[in-house]
Amino acid sequence: AQRVTQPEKLLSVFKGAPVELKCNYSYSGSPELFWYVQYSRQRLQLLLRHISRESIKGFTADLNKGETSFHLKKPFAQEEDSAMYYCALSGPGSGNTGKLIFGQGTTLQVKP
Amino acid sequence: GAVVSQHPSRVICKSGTSVKIECRSLDFQATTMFWYRQFPKQSLMLMATSNEGSKATYEQGVEKDKFLINHASLTLSTLTVTSAHPEDSSFYICSAREPEGKKTDTQYFGPGTRLTVL
Repeated sequence: AQRVTQPEKLLSVFKGAPVELKCNYSYSGSPELFWYVQYSRQRLQLLLRHISRESIKGFTADLNKGETSFHLKKPFAQEEDSAMYYCALSGPGSGNTGKLIFGQGTTLQVKP
Repeated sequence: GAVVSQHPSRVICKSGTSVKIECRSLDFQATTMFWYRQFPKQSLMLMATSNEGSKATYEQGVEKDKFLINHASLTLSTLTVTSAHPEDSSFYICSAREPEGKKTDTQYFGPGTRLTVL
């Protein structure tokens, strides 16, 4: 079954500390993995996707097929990073519709 | 960037009535749109995939007669909650997928509609 697991509901760090938001997935095949972010009172927006291999707002994520993980990392957290982060998966098993399976979400709280 | 709008942003209705929610892609054509439901402090649950010109594909456990989806044009999909009951109260979010062939194949999300059924 396709599944995305984010084990932490809340991650609280101090400004300047490193951040790692965990994401594990279950999928038979080659999925595409995404991180979406939702800032307070704003809509969900794409943060990054694994095929792009880019860094957005200092965040990076590497797909580890062996561990079936796609953890989101940032070396130095900023207060403006405080938001809800969702890991999501899409794959050929989705009937090529592009539908996304979301994890439960992790709230990142960056304290001053 | 691409923008997706939803209307209304908030609706309160009486039990037994029907409510229609619109999802529009403002500056691009979307052959595929998605409808999600989000309970407080929980994740997004995909309800259905809306395909322009054809029937929607519903996820397991979602009542198609309860949640009617119409994707009449390349920029508009509607979700109608029929005979709404208090348990239907939720935050409904739509997303629109970029047209096939676009390199990024990104989904853009609407701001959501808060439905409260009294």
